[in-house]
Parts: sequence; structure tokens; C-alpha cells
Amino acid sequence: AQSVSQHNHHVILSEAASLELGCNYSYGGTVNLFWYVQYPGQHLQLLLKYFSGDPLVKGIKGFEAEFIKSKFSFNLRKPSVQWSDTAEYFCAVRVLQDSNYQLIWGAGTKLIIKP
Amino acid sequence: KAGVTQTPRYLIKTRGQQVTLSCSPISGHRSVSWYQQTPGQGLQFLFEYFSETQRNKGNFPGRFSGRQFSNSRSEMNVSTLELGDSALYLCASSLPTPQHGYTFGSGTRLTVV
Repeated sequence: AQSVSQHNHHVILSEAASLELGCNYSYGGTVNLFWYVQYPGQHLQLLLKYFSGDPLVKGIKGFEAEFIKSKFSFNLRKPSVQWSDTAEYFCAVRVLQDSNYQLIWGAGTKLIIKP
Repeated sequence: KAGVTQTPRYLIKTRGQQVTLSCSPISGHRSVSWYQQTPGQGLQFLFEYFSETQRNKGNFPGRFSGRQFSNSRSEMNVSTLELGDSALYLCASSLPTPQHGYTFGSGTRLTVV
């Protein structure tokens, strides 16, 4: 069965540190890839997405992600984090399953930024 | 434009009861998906509706059902509630081919006691 793995469940960084959150998926076909963020007490918001074209995708708030097809990965990066980036981050992969598209989610990574 | 609206925001029900949750998608979005979010299981897909038809279904028991109306509003029903059904239920809407991603509502927090 298709799955999405986010290796780090909790990440703690200091402000200005660089961030990379891992996301790997198991599916051999065409995929659409998403990163969502959930700030404390708020709803899920789309950070960025990849459908086709340039594998380096830039999203909101200085986030970017790189799709590496050979590694089945879509890691999220930010060069310098801020305290306001404290949130839970979810990777999701849209796959074609049984003639229908389904969005499969990773377990999420809780990011805490120390001021 | 208005976002995805879910009602109610909070709900407390007793084991064995049934519950109906509502989701109004963004205007123009005809696809509505439902998810269950719990600390232990994360985000799990329940089902997706498009043009009043269930297009896809996750691995949940038959106690979980849904429907979509002609105005794209969707309802989710859970019958014979169990303690384990306590969760945040999220609704997301999208265009038929979600090139712009899915837009989520704030969710309904269901507590079963």
C-alpha cells in the first residue's frame, strides 16, 4: 500500500537555524506533492505544492521543497527559521488508486523554534 | 472569498449516539473530502465527494457515512458513536482537478463520552 513517511516526529531548532524536514513516499506512478502547515489552534494551510516542471518549488513564508524522483522524496527546507514557524508540518502525496485520486498523508512533524 | 466552513466547531456526544457534521466548501469548489485527525493516527482520509457522488473512500467502518448536496455542501454522519471516534474532523474542498491544492476548514472537534 502507498505510504508517506516523515522521519522526524519532533524537531527543535533555534531561531535563524536552517531547516530541512524529510518526506518520502512509496508509489511508483505519477504523484502530486504537497506540504501543509498547521499553526497552533489554526487550520491546515497549504505551504507549497508540486505538480510538474521545475522540481524545486518555492512556497509561502520562505519555504521551498525539492522533488527528487529517484529518491521518492519531497523534503521541505527553509534557510533561516523564525519563532513564528513553530507549527506542525504535514507532507501529502496525491496518487491514482483504483481509478480515483487519493491524498495520502504523512504523520506530521512538530517543529518548535526556540526564541 | 469565504473559506471552508465547518459546523459545529465543538460537539460532545454520548457513546451510542449519532452525529452529523456539516461542511460548506469554497464557492466554485465541487470536490469535498473528509478527514479524521487524532494524535495517535494523524490525518486519515474518510471519503471524497464530487457532484453529489462518493468518488473515493478510506478504510473506515460503515458507521461513517457522508453525502453531498447539489450546492456542493457536504455532511458527514457517524452512527453508534464509540469513545475512539473522538477526534478533529476536517473537511477540505478543491476544484475537480486540484491544481491549486486543497483548502481546509477549521474542523469540528468531536468528543465522545
